[in-house]
Amino acid sequence: GEEVAQTPKHLVRGEGQKAKLYCAPIKGHSYVFWYQQVLKNEFKFLISFQNENVFDETGMPKERFSAKCLPNSPCSLEIQATKLEDSAVYFCASSQSRWELFFGEGSRLTVL
Amino acid sequence: EDKVVQSPLSLVVHEGDTVTLNCSYEVTNFRSLLWYKQEKKAPTFLFMLTSSGIEKKSGRLSSILDKKELFSILNITATQTGDSAVYLCAVTMEYGNKLVFGAGTILRVKS
Repeated sequence: GEEVAQTPKHLVRGEGQKAKLYCAPIKGHSYVFWYQQVLKNEFKFLISFQNENVFDETGMPKERFSAKCLPNSPCSLEIQATKLEDSAVYFCASSQSRWELFFGEGSRLTVL
Repeated sequence: EDKVVQSPLSLVVHEGDTVTLNCSYEVTNFRSLLWYKQEKKAPTFLFMLTSSGIEKKSGRLSSILDKKELFSILNITATQTGDSAVYLCAVTMEYGNKLVFGAGTILRVKS
């Protein structure tokens, strides 16, 4: 597609429940990124992929967060046992190069 | 620790005014600086700057990078209400491909 498509737009979970977010990158883009934005504050880098391979995962809290980009499937970001502080907007972005990112509209996760 | 600082945090101007937004950075192995505009949801790409002193221009927006003093400015001339947004500055490093973002400048243009 011509834009990065993220689903769902909004997800509500009780503390301790699992949350899974999806991202379809722009066709032809080989890099996919996940960022977390808490309360309209700074974007925090989580992880990036080059095709289906993890490129940089230095921002991932590994205990509860995991992500995948499998061939012919949307990329996904999964949070096991959500906590209140996981409430944020999760942005996916894709890129042809490593640098110029095109962002999706975000998925708002609310943990109650 | 890699750091990007934007100023001012917020700004209110009248239509027709010119604004200058600032971004300073301290990162290891700097590669490029990017500007994004975030209205309601997805940030949209404005500029990528890699060389010092070369102005990039798009309509009423322009930006320049100073790699010696480690900062960039984004200028918007003849502002319009549609320029109201959060302007985000981000830097990339030579290794890895993450963007390190500043907190953004909230610009509000009053009619």
